[in-house]
Amino acid sequence: GENVEQHPSTLSVQEGDSAVIKCTYSDSASNYFPWYKQELGKRPQLIIDIRSNVGEKKDQRIAVTLNKTAKHFSLHITETQPEDSAVYFCAANDYKLSFGAGTTVTVRA
Amino acid sequence: GAVVSQHPSWVICKSGTSVKIECRSLDFQATTMFWYRQFPKQSLMLMATSNEGSKATYEQGVEKDKFLINHASLTLSTLTVTSAHPEDSSFYICSASPGTGEGQPQHFGDGTRLSIL
Repeated sequence: GENVEQHPSTLSVQEGDSAVIKCTYSDSASNYFPWYKQELGKRPQLIIDIRSNVGEKKDQRIAVTLNKTAKHFSLHITETQPEDSAVYFCAANDYKLSFGAGTTVTVRA
Repeated sequence: GAVVSQHPSWVICKSGTSVKIECRSLDFQATTMFWYRQFPKQSLMLMATSNEGSKATYEQGVEKDKFLINHASLTLSTLTVTSAHPEDSSFYICSASPGTGEGQPQHFGDGTRLSIL
């Protein structure tokens, strides 16, 4: 099965700075890589996703890059704001989603 | 669009009780739904894949007789925790996708916080 590793486990950034979270996956058959944001006690919310035929995707302050050869993908958040503070999960899909362990992002005002 | 509703949001009950959790896709049909369990400060652990009209597929280590899944229609899946004990206390979340096949976005319900006394 798929194994997804996520780093770092915690990330503290100053408001306005960028945050980068990296994930690696093991199954070369995976072709879909979503990122979820989860606030305390709430549902995971899909914030961006990328498919294996695309190397980069951007949505306002959020971008995701994918390197299929190296089997890693990253989430980039620019101009961070306090409301970006949450737990972020990467996932890889080979039909079922396999989640990373999560990154707790804290944006300091 | 792609709204998933989960009910109840919070359950507190005595040990030995069975608890049913409902997951509904409100504005789309879902052939497949997924049930996850999440412990505090941990990731989502897939418990089972719920397939409409057929038996659920359980992940390794998940007791199918303990966690009964029924997917009777294209918009409703239920998870029943039978004879619940304190160790079953957790956050249970379902998800569903409006598409079919691989690589479809999954949308999550609000989750059910289950506390067994």
